[in-house]
Amino acid sequence: AQRVTQPEKLLSVFKGAPVELKCNYSYSGSPELFWYVQYSRQRLQLLLRHISRESIKGFTADLNKGETSFHLKKPFAQEEDSAMYYCAPAGNKLTFGGGTRVLVKP
Amino acid sequence: SAVISQKPSRDICQRGTSLTIQCQVDSQVTMMFWYRQQPGQSLTLIATANQGSEATYESGFVIDKFPISRPNLTFSTLTVSNMSPEDSSIYLCSLSHPSTDTQYFGPGTRLTVL
Repeated sequence: AQRVTQPEKLLSVFKGAPVELKCNYSYSGSPELFWYVQYSRQRLQLLLRHISRESIKGFTADLNKGETSFHLKKPFAQEEDSAMYYCAPAGNKLTFGGGTRVLVKP
Repeated sequence: SAVISQKPSRDICQRGTSLTIQCQVDSQVTMMFWYRQQPGQSLTLIATANQGSEATYESGFVIDKFPISRPNLTFSTLTVSNMSPEDSSIYLCSLSHPSTDTQYFGPGTRLTVL
């Protein structure tokens, strides 16, 4: 079964500092992975897909097959990045990671 | 992107009663999904609602407790039956974009059971 884990429940960083959210997957084949984000009082929404290899809101995520990871990174965190972040494999039935709350302090 | 609405947005219910949550989307989709997000937890898939067939439930969820209807390609309902305080959660519906596998989520229904 496709499974992802997010080991950190909470990440607290200062504005301007780098932030990295960890996601590890544990299934074989060619994974397709997503990061979803939920800002306060907003609905859950897609942040980025690994297959698009794009940067969204300054965030990037690289699929590392050797380490079976799909960590989300941003070099300079902003206060508006404070949110819940979920890693999930592609597919019709999403199996979300446990989520990581990011708090960016001024 | 898709426009998804849910009703009600929140409710407070008494133990033993039932609540039906409605999900309306602005485009025709084959599959819709219902998730539960318990306080402090991640999202857990309850079931997949296919138009024209019975819903497919995930492990730990049963039709008697969470009956689902899917009368057409733009609408679905989830009923939380015989509620207990443990059912207090946010319930979300979603759909999957057919070509990108991206999921779009409704705003959620916050349920509190007393």
